[in-house]
Amino acid sequence: KAGVTQTPRYLIKTRGQQVTLSCSPISGHRSVSWYQQTPGQGLQFLFEYFSETQRNKGNFPGRFSGRQFSNSRSEMNVSTLELGDSALYLCASSLAGGKNIQYFGAGTRLSVL
Amino acid sequence: GNSVTQMEGPVTLSEEAFLTINCTYTATGYPSLFWYVQYPGEGLQLLLKATKADDKGSNKGFEATYRKETTSFHLEKGSVQVSDSAVYFCALIQFSGGYNKLIFGAGTRLAVHP
Repeated sequence: KAGVTQTPRYLIKTRGQQVTLSCSPISGHRSVSWYQQTPGQGLQFLFEYFSETQRNKGNFPGRFSGRQFSNSRSEMNVSTLELGDSALYLCASSLAGGKNIQYFGAGTRLSVL
Repeated sequence: GNSVTQMEGPVTLSEEAFLTINCTYTATGYPSLFWYVQYPGEGLQLLLKATKADDKGSNKGFEATYRKETTSFHLEKGSVQVSDSAVYFCALIQFSGGYNKLIFGAGTRLAVHP
């Protein structure tokens, strides 16, 4: 069974631009969560989607948004990029949320210049 | 709020040494507890888990026991290898009405030398 796939693996953008990251969950998984990893703040929860609905959101500005499609694939968008948005963005999928185990993708490393 | 505290790294050991990475948590209710490992340039891999008090999670020689009385979930391995060099994250899952949010510790870097 294929794991969680994130694309692209690396991105370089400049301040003010916007970016879209993609996540394909494990087949059969309906919950997708996004996390931001930085050296200073560690791993922080961004949001979770289940059945195309955002169920939970972390403490991030509105520039960070996401969506989930009917096939459970998810995208995350960051608008008006800032230097501080440089990070590893990790996607995790689980069967249905709750206490189900979350399985992570390899991440997308975003560099904002 | 819920939180996870890990011992600061880096932890540097010689091959075949005993490993302990301390993890304590603060949580309401009865969270599930996890250890994830991150190898250089990769995402997180689940190492082991425990879902209730006194449960022992184990995998690849690593073990951790869910201790509710001390709110701890320390990671141990009897004999580390160079290939165990990675960053280890302790985490709990905050579960409320179906919400699914992992809360991580800061991570502990382990370096194992031959």
